[in-house]
Amino acid sequence: AQSVTQPDIHITVSEGASLELRCNYSYGATPYLFWYVQSPGQGLQLLLKYFSGDTLVQGIKGFEAEFKRSQSSFNLRKPSVHWSDAAEYFCAVETTGGGNKLTFGTGTQLKVEL
Amino acid sequence: DVKVTQSSRYLVKRTGEKVFLECVQDMDHENMFWYRQDPGLGLRLIYFSYDVKMKEKGDIPEGYSVSREKKERFSLILESASTNQTSMYLCASSGQGPRETQYFGPGTRLLVL
Repeated sequence: AQSVTQPDIHITVSEGASLELRCNYSYGATPYLFWYVQSPGQGLQLLLKYFSGDTLVQGIKGFEAEFKRSQSSFNLRKPSVHWSDAAEYFCAVETTGGGNKLTFGTGTQLKVEL
Repeated sequence: DVKVTQSSRYLVKRTGEKVFLECVQDMDHENMFWYRQDPGLGLRLIYFSYDVKMKEKGDIPEGYSVSREKKERFSLILESASTNQTSMYLCASSGQGPRETQYFGPGTRLLVL
């Protein structure tokens, strides 16, 4: 069965610093991978997704993610964090068996210090 | 703009009550989902529907049922609410086929006393 691991429960960065959120997946074939963000009191919003091709994927709000098959990773990055980026971030992999179902990681809570 | 709405943002119910959580999407999506979100556990799929009147159990269906009588509406039912069902409930919808983006509603925070 597919699984997603986000090893960091909480991360604190200073505004303007770079950010990397880790995501590791377990999947037999080429995975379909997603990063979502959840601002306080809100639902989830898609940041970016990877299906195939270029392993560096650009998303909204200045985020990018790099797919590394050899490391089974799909880490999310941002060169300069803004205070409004404080939120919870979820990595997800599409589940086999059809239906567009997703398996989510446990999330990483990002705090931004001013 | 795509929109998924949930009937309540906050709900307080008593143990043993029957609880209905409603979700409506305006994107003509075939797929709809109900998730439960708990701290440290991420999102877990309760039920999934791929068409009107069609449903499939997710990872944690026990204690829940669903109804999809119309394409745009997907209801989650707690037949007899229990305190361990206190949680945040998120609804999502997507088009059919792989790689479709799931769009989420704002969530319903349910407290069962």
